Amino acid sequence: GESVGLHLPTLSVQEGDNSIINCAYSNSASDYFIWYKQESGKGPQFIIDIRSNMDKRQGQRVTVLLNKTVKHLSLQIAATQPGDSAVYFCAEKGGGSNYKLTFGKGTLLTVNP
Amino acid sequence: KAGVTQTPRYLIKTRGQQVTLSCSPISGHRSVSWYQQTPGQGLQFLFEYFSETQRNKGNFPGRFSGRQFSNSRSEMNVSTLELGDSALYLCASSRSTRTDTQYFGPGTRLTVL
Repeated sequence: GESVGLHLPTLSVQEGDNSIINCAYSNSASDYFIWYKQESGKGPQFIIDIRSNMDKRQGQRVTVLLNKTVKHLSLQIAATQPGDSAVYFCAEKGGGSNYKLTFGKGTLLTVNP
Repeated sequence: KAGVTQTPRYLIKTRGQQVTLSCSPISGHRSVSWYQQTPGQGLQFLFEYFSETQRNKGNFPGRFSGRQFSNSRSEMNVSTLELGDSALYLCASSRSTRTDTQYFGPGTRLTVL
């Protein structure tokens, strides 16, 4: 069945470093991918998305890379700040008329000052 | 523009009871999705409504139901509560199409005793 998984459950970085969070997916029909950030006590917050016809998309301090060949998604955060500490989820939508988001388990990012 | 609001924020119920959760989407958004978040299972899709019709449904028992009103506000109901229903219930709204961004509310924390 379809699933979205994360390689690492936790990631600890120093303030100012770049962070890379990885995600593997298994549904080859997935055509839309999203990264969310969730802080304690809050709902997931949209960070960036990418469609399957793209390999890379950049936002403010964030870049998402999509490798459809190996079904891999990554989120790069430049110059990581303490405010970036949170759980990061990748999510995907299958093709066709599928409107649901399938989420990965999440990666806890801790930024050390 | 106001975000997605969910009420109540916290609920404590006992086994066998039923509960109704409410979600008000962002103004102009016509799609409302519901998710259950637990430490063990992560974020799981419950159902999605658009124009008062359920458009997608996840793999949850029939005790979980929902509806959407003409003003796009949505409610979900859980009947005959079980201990395992304790979770954070998240609502997300989006405009209408599959690749419109889903914006999440803060969630309702349900505890079943």
